[in-house]
Amino acid sequence: NAGVTQTPKFRILKIGQSMTLQCTQDMNHNYMYWYRQDPGMGLKLIYYSVGAGITDKGEVPNGYNVSRSTTEDFPLRLELAAPSQTSVYFCASSPGTGSRGNYGYTFGSGTRLTVV
Amino acid sequence: QKEVEQNSGPLSVPEGAIASLNCTYSDRGSQSFFWYRQYSGKSPELIMSIYSNGDKEDGRFTAQLNKASQYVSLLIRDSQPSDSATYLCAVNMGGTASKLTFGTGTRLQVTL
Repeated sequence: NAGVTQTPKFRILKIGQSMTLQCTQDMNHNYMYWYRQDPGMGLKLIYYSVGAGITDKGEVPNGYNVSRSTTEDFPLRLELAAPSQTSVYFCASSPGTGSRGNYGYTFGSGTRLTVV
Repeated sequence: QKEVEQNSGPLSVPEGAIASLNCTYSDRGSQSFFWYRQYSGKSPELIMSIYSNGDKEDGRFTAQLNKASQYVSLLIRDSQPSDSATYLCAVNMGGTASKLTFGTGTRLQVTL
């Protein structure tokens, strides 16, 4: 199993450009998430999905969009990139809740994005 | 706002000592608690989960949970230089989709 795969690993964007960060998982997890991590600020939830066709906003959704057409894929779209979107982006997945409580996340390797 | 608080560190311990990492959370109804290790430039890696009050041991790691005090900790015994990393506390504070709220992390340095 590859787990959670993110592409690209690094990207430099100019202000106003758009791009899609790709995320795919092969663990048949229903739940998927996008976080951004800024130095000293911890991980902030951007968007999440509980299954194909279902997405919802997290804590910091402005400037981003997502889709979930399949269980495996959860791409994150940045429209009109701004310097404030310079960050490290992590995709994660989870099988959800078990008998004892929530399962933890499996993270992808991240995408380091710089907007100049 | 629901929060998870950690001391940012760095916490410096000598090799072979016990490292103690602490975390407090704001939502009394929280049920699931996790510790992640993150090496510099890498993604977080799940190392411990705990759901009930008390201690849970896994090798050199022990997670401790006290729901009454809204406090969760991670002990690392016989600390090694390879344990030097940032440790993230994460809490599921209810709601849908098993969402986790993360602390900002504690940076641990294990010195020779």
